[in-house]
Amino acid sequence: DGGITQSPKYLFRKEGQNVTLSCEQNLNHDAMYWYRQDPGQGLRLIYYSQIVNDFQKGDIAEGYSVSREKKESFPLTVTSAQKNPTAFYLCASSIPSGVLLNTGELFFGEGSRLTVL
Amino acid sequence: KQEVTQIPAALSVPEGENLVLNCSFTDSAIYNLQWFRQDPGKGLTSLLLIQSSQREQTSGRLNASLDKSSGRSTLYIAASQPGDSATYLCAETSGYSTLTFGKGTMLLVSP
Repeated sequence: DGGITQSPKYLFRKEGQNVTLSCEQNLNHDAMYWYRQDPGQGLRLIYYSQIVNDFQKGDIAEGYSVSREKKESFPLTVTSAQKNPTAFYLCASSIPSGVLLNTGELFFGEGSRLTVL
Repeated sequence: KQEVTQIPAALSVPEGENLVLNCSFTDSAIYNLQWFRQDPGKGLTSLLLIQSSQREQTSGRLNASLDKSSGRSTLYIAASQPGDSATYLCAETSGYSTLTFGKGTMLLVSP
């Protein structure tokens, strides 16, 4: 079935450690996104990528890094520089809205919950 | 910076009621507006997407409308059921593919 797979579903990290969250999609979408969700704050954009080997910072990129070596994959690394990493992380994909006749509809994975011990 | 506001933040209704969730946005150059459903601890599921050239979209018991001139969208749920209990989020796209989300309305439908 086509969709977006995030792993792991739950992750625990000690302070000072880097961790990487995986996001894989088989929807043949060009654009991929990482959002962070905190209680009462809604979704905030961390990074996004429109095409392979290119990505842009979102609203809260500090302390995070990404790569886009393959169309299907957009991993997110939460570095030790991120001061408050405990959150629910959501990956999404779409065909970029600038493409003619595309609606820009966004599809999400099931999320990864990161807890810092 | 675009802002999206959802009112109310929480809503509790008895089963069978028709209800309306509200979403307002500040960007007049909206490209599309999308409504999502989120169950606790889960990802977001797309419900309806309205393009800027459209005024409404319908799917089953759900109807979403878009009024660009007033900066408002509504999600109408007919004959609500306990299974509709979830958080509903709206998000607008104005720039090149990046969405701005509201904080959501938490809906509880009691039997």
